[in-house]
Amino acid sequence: QKEVEQNSGPLSVPEGAIASLNCTYSDRGSQSFFWYRQYSGKSPELIMFIYSNGDKEDGRFTAQLNKASQYVSLLIRDSQPSDSATYLCAVKWGSQGNLIFGKGTKLSVKP
Amino acid sequence: GAGVSQSPSNKVTEKGKDVELRCDPISGHTALYWYRQSLGQGLEFLIYFQGNSAPDKSGLPSDRFSAERTGGSVSTLTIQRTQQEDSAVYLCASSLLSGPYEQYFGPGTRLTVT
Repeated sequence: QKEVEQNSGPLSVPEGAIASLNCTYSDRGSQSFFWYRQYSGKSPELIMFIYSNGDKEDGRFTAQLNKASQYVSLLIRDSQPSDSATYLCAVKWGSQGNLIFGKGTKLSVKP
Repeated sequence: GAGVSQSPSNKVTEKGKDVELRCDPISGHTALYWYRQSLGQGLEFLIYFQGNSAPDKSGLPSDRFSAERTGGSVSTLTIQRTQQEDSAVYLCASSLLSGPYEQYFGPGTRLTVT
């Protein structure tokens, strides 16, 4: 059974702080890892993906992958109130096309 | 360019009726995916198309659910004899069949079964 686990939160951080969102997955055969942001009442929006161990940076966002620990994280630097949303971690396994999603972590950035 | 589009955006139907949900993927995206999201829940995979064929139908919750894709483009998800537990947001996504297969979502169809 392939599973993706996230802390549901809510995670509350002050404006300007670093928000750290974590995700673990159950199967070492996973290939690609994705972070989506979902505002209330809206569909998921792709933030970034990562498939190699280490860090990948894109603006204020950094994805970190550790395949040995089966762990992927998303750091948001200089958090803004507009970053308040639910963040979904998704994993693609092998030749399967579909993604397995975690239930998401709700982030609240307080002004 | 144009993103993934879905119609209708909202659908209210009576229990027992059939419904059709439509998805128009990003131009050039060969892969198309259907998910559903119930209130407060995560995304549940339903079905995946490569071109017009569906190599993975494992997520369809019952034989009341079916989907087709024609011309490698538009897809229709059909739910027959709807039940109240079918109420959810149905999301469609599309991707290329190369690279990391990043998926882009449409705005969704909110289905309410009364």
